[in-house]
Amino acid sequence: GQQLNQSPQSMFIQEGEDVSMNCTSSSIFNTWLWYKQDPGEGPVLLIALYKAGELTSNGRLTAQFGITRKDSFLNISASIPSDVGIYFCAGPLWAGGTSYGKLTFGQGTILTVHP
Amino acid sequence: DTAVSQTPKYLVTQMGNDKSIKCEQNLGHDTMYWYKQDSKKFLKIMFSYNNKELIINETVPNRFSPKSPDKAHLNLHINSLELGDSAVYFCASSQAAVGGGELFFGEGSRLTVL
Repeated sequence: GQQLNQSPQSMFIQEGEDVSMNCTSSSIFNTWLWYKQDPGEGPVLLIALYKAGELTSNGRLTAQFGITRKDSFLNISASIPSDVGIYFCAGPLWAGGTSYGKLTFGQGTILTVHP
Repeated sequence: DTAVSQTPKYLVTQMGNDKSIKCEQNLGHDTMYWYKQDSKKFLKIMFSYNNKELIINETVPNRFSPKSPDKAHLNLHINSLELGDSAVYFCASSQAAVGGGELFFGEGSRLTVL
């Protein structure tokens, strides 16, 4: 089935450092999504990518949709303590011409930022 | 106002009991979902409703029964709770049949079965 492999599983960094994480799949995705989950909260959409090769920024966050459509990465520049949380990549699973938001998620990258 | 709200946020119960989790969204979305997050933080879809109609029903034990009284509400009832049902259950919503899968999640309901 369509599965997303996310790495690294966890990161411990100092405040101010840049962060990079990626997501790969054996299947092609037409959309890549990056979510962040704060402790005790639900995931929140950070960036959505719809086109192969697309590079999109949201503040200090930058994400790219891989040319092969089988990967995506997320970069966070100049990390701050509130960046802590779990970052998930996700992509819609398609059946019958629609996904109805049936997302498959990566395993998540747990980010810890030391002040 | 909270866009997607679910209650209760915490639920501790004994094995064998029956419990319900309620979800409401005020975003005007047509589609609502239940996702389960296990202890390893893995998120997996359970059900999806579009305009009160069941669209997605993953391989979930039939002890789990969703109900959508209207498109703004999706409840989850669980019968005969088992230890393995302990998890965080997330309600989510999206515009109808959105291929981009842009879901808005609630805060989660943490279920602990003793």
